Amino acid sequence: AQKITQTQPGMFVQEKEAVTLDCTYDTSDPSYGLFWYKQPSSGEMIFLIYQGSYDQQNATEGRYSLNFQKARKSANLVISASQLGDSAMYFCAMRWVRGYQKVTFGTGTKLQVIP
Amino acid sequence: GAVVSQHPSRVICKSGTSVKIECRSLDFQATTMFWYRQFPKQSLMLMATSNEGSKATYEQGVEKDKFLINHASLTLSTLTVTSAHPEDSSFYICSASVGTDTQYFGPGTRLTVL
Repeated sequence: AQKITQTQPGMFVQEKEAVTLDCTYDTSDPSYGLFWYKQPSSGEMIFLIYQGSYDQQNATEGRYSLNFQKARKSANLVISASQLGDSAMYFCAMRWVRGYQKVTFGTGTKLQVIP
Repeated sequence: GAVVSQHPSRVICKSGTSVKIECRSLDFQATTMFWYRQFPKQSLMLMATSNEGSKATYEQGVEKDKFLINHASLTLSTLTVTSAHPEDSSFYICSASVGTDTQYFGPGTRLTVL
């Protein structure tokens, strides 16, 4: 069975500091994709970053980077230079090919940026 | 690019009525659309996977007759909650993808059944 685990229900970070949100996953499928989404209080799910299981390099998108450690089955999100607008729920998700492109979400981490 | 819209954004209905929610991919053709449900302070739960022109694939525990999904074109999927009851009140979110690419989400629809 595919499983995504986010062990931090809530996190605080000082504005302009970096923060790491943890995500571990479990799958027997050799081909999968890992995503991070941001959900502000408005409810919309905003795509942040994607990492493929065969990608050699860690994904980066602006202030977001994904620390992909395949052997440890972890895909932590690093947000650099936190901004007040980063306060939101963050979900880690995994898509596996043999699941017909279905995506499983973690339970989420609520990030609060402190001025 | 990759914009997905949902309509309505918020709906309140009486118990026993049916509610239709539309999900549109505005600037791309989506081979697959997904419908999720999210309870307050919880994660997204996949309800069904919808491919254009074919029947939706429902997740275990999701009633097909209760949550009717129609994927009439590559840019439109609809979810109809039939004979809605208060326990159906929730946040419903759709997403759309092209092939194996990233899923892009709509803004969600908050359904309240009185």
